[in-house]
Amino acid sequence: GAVVSQHPSWVICKSGTSVKIECRSLDFQATTMFWYRQFPKQSLMLMATSNEGSKATYEQGVEKDKFLINHASLTLSTLTVTSAHPEDSSFYICSARDLLAVAKNIQYFGAGTRLSVL
Amino acid sequence: AQRVTQPEKLLSVFKGAPVELKCNYSYSGSPELFWYVQYSRQRLQLLLRHISRESIKGFTADLNKGETSFHLKKPFAQEEDSAMYYCALSEETSGSRLTFGEGTQLTVNP
Repeated sequence: GAVVSQHPSWVICKSGTSVKIECRSLDFQATTMFWYRQFPKQSLMLMATSNEGSKATYEQGVEKDKFLINHASLTLSTLTVTSAHPEDSSFYICSARDLLAVAKNIQYFGAGTRLSVL
Repeated sequence: AQRVTQPEKLLSVFKGAPVELKCNYSYSGSPELFWYVQYSRQRLQLLLRHISRESIKGFTADLNKGETSFHLKKPFAQEEDSAMYYCALSEETSGSRLTFGEGTQLTVNP
């Protein structure tokens, strides 16, 4: 149980285009999902907390207009990298917390999306 | 602000040897500490959390508030333990965001 699906796993796009990444909780509901960014050989850095039915909470230094987050249902959050540039190339990882097990404070992670902007 | 430090980026031991992955944190409140593991070509997954006080795959970790540490230990390392290990801190037990350490790559040699 507690599977998080992230799609696509790898995407290559041209500079200036937008890319959407999906994060789905397959067998549980999640009012809260998290989006992380990971640079090579570095740790996960939280970008934003996605809240179902409300606006996302962004970490300091993360551009809201650049990284659009939508959490329209209890099983789906999307991250859209708008007008992507080569410096946005990175590994993006999502996680989700089970609505029915909030007290356990456990995050279940997707497999990640590698974004390459040419 | 909270911070998690894993001083060793790389750790190499032989099979059967004890292993300890260090984790120190700075946070003024009562944190919840976790160890997450990422095996090769797999996603990040929870290994253990300090509140559970359980042993998973032979690993244990004790929260030492005096030393602000949460070191991960295993008395006899196995080759299948080779992975990337991340220590993480949550500001409170009600389910807030995680702050990760930089990770330690553990290699267990045969």
